[in-house]
Amino acid sequence: AQTVTQSQPEMSVQEAETVTLSCTYDTSESDYYLFWYKQPPSRQMILVIRQEAYKQQNATENRFSVNFQKAAKSFSLKISDSQLGDAAMYFCAYRSSLLEKLTFGTGTRLTIIP
Amino acid sequence: DVKVTQSSRYLVKRTGEKVFLECVQDMDHENMFWYRQDPGLGLRLIYFSYDVKMKEKGDIPEGYSVSREKKERFSLILESASTNQTSMYLCASSLNGVRQPQHFGDGTRLSIL
Repeated sequence: AQTVTQSQPEMSVQEAETVTLSCTYDTSESDYYLFWYKQPPSRQMILVIRQEAYKQQNATENRFSVNFQKAAKSFSLKISDSQLGDAAMYFCAYRSSLLEKLTFGTGTRLTIIP
Repeated sequence: DVKVTQSSRYLVKRTGEKVFLECVQDMDHENMFWYRQDPGLGLRLIYFSYDVKMKEKGDIPEGYSVSREKKERFSLILESASTNQTSMYLCASSLNGVRQPQHFGDGTRLSIL
């Protein structure tokens, strides 16, 4: 079974600075998808970014980018120019190419310091 | 925009009650999911459905059942609620296809007294 590990329960960053959230996963599959979701205090989970395992190029969405290291099974999220609205729980998630279900990590709570 | 609506934001029930959590999506998605979210445990899949009247067990199905009579609606049922089912429940939906993201509702915070 696949597992997803987020080893940082909490992180904080000064506004306008850069922060990196870590995620590692365990799988025997070669084809899969990885996601980062954000859950602000309003509670709705919002997709931040996704990465296909077969793509070597790291995904980027505006201030959000990932560092995908397939051999190391690592999928970290970098947030540049942090803003107060980035404060949230961030969840890393894995999906096999064969199944629709997601496997989530335990989350990292990100605090932005004004 | 995809809209996934959960019927209640907060719900308080008593031990032994039968509890229904309702979820409706408006984008004709084939797949629907129920997750449970607990601090330190992340989101865990309870059940999912890939078509009307079809259901699959997730990672923690014990104590729960589901119903999907119409494509847009997916119900989670606690047959006899217990205090250890106090939690946040999140519903999600998605189109078929591994690249398709899941879209989530706002969650129901359920307390069983």
